[in-house]
Amino acid sequence: GNSVTQMEGPVTLSEEAFLTINCTYTATGYPSLFWYVQYPGEGLQLLLKATKADDKGSNKGFEATYRKETTSFHLEKGSVQVSDSAVYFCALKGASKIIFGSGTRLSIRP
Amino acid sequence: GAGVSQSPSNKVTEKGKDVELRCDPISGHTALYWYRQSLGQGLEFLIYFQGNSAPDKSGLPSDRFSAERTGGSVSTLTIQRTQQEDSAVYLCASSLVTLVAGSTGELFFGEGSRLTVL
Repeated sequence: GNSVTQMEGPVTLSEEAFLTINCTYTATGYPSLFWYVQYPGEGLQLLLKATKADDKGSNKGFEATYRKETTSFHLEKGSVQVSDSAVYFCALKGASKIIFGSGTRLSIRP
Repeated sequence: GAGVSQSPSNKVTEKGKDVELRCDPISGHTALYWYRQSLGQGLEFLIYFQGNSAPDKSGLPSDRFSAERTGGSVSTLTIQRTQQEDSAVYLCASSLVTLVAGSTGELFFGEGSRLTVL
């Protein structure tokens, strides 16, 4: 069945560091892929998405490229800020539901 | 309302008691989803509604769990005879239409109801 695997956290970085959070998926076909973010005290919200192979989703300085060859959708940001501290979830669009990974907690030190 | 509203935000109960968790979706959203977020686990799908119908309830962990939606709006998730393993954050999300109906996949989440079973 469809599933998402993402790197375990927590991840702690210094401000302005480069960020990569790995995500791989198992799916039939090429489903849409997403990154959702959960800031402290808030509900999950969509960060970015890609609907087909080789698409790049981007938002708020974050990027992720849909790689069908490696079945991956890694999240990257060139220079993180303290305000990026949150839990990040990789997800894919199933037939009737969104399937989420286990989440990666990111903490940024000033 | 402006966003998805869930209540209560926190609920502490004793093992064996029944609890009800409420979700008020964004006005006009026909699709409503319940997920569970346990410590160290991802988001576990429970059930989704299209209007008042639940085409997929495959994620409900046991027959102690049930959910309903009325008037195509508010939904209630009921857990009977709660157990300690039911402790989790229960998340509700809504979208304009279901994935089956062609949604892009953007779900709008509430802040969740944290359930603690002692």
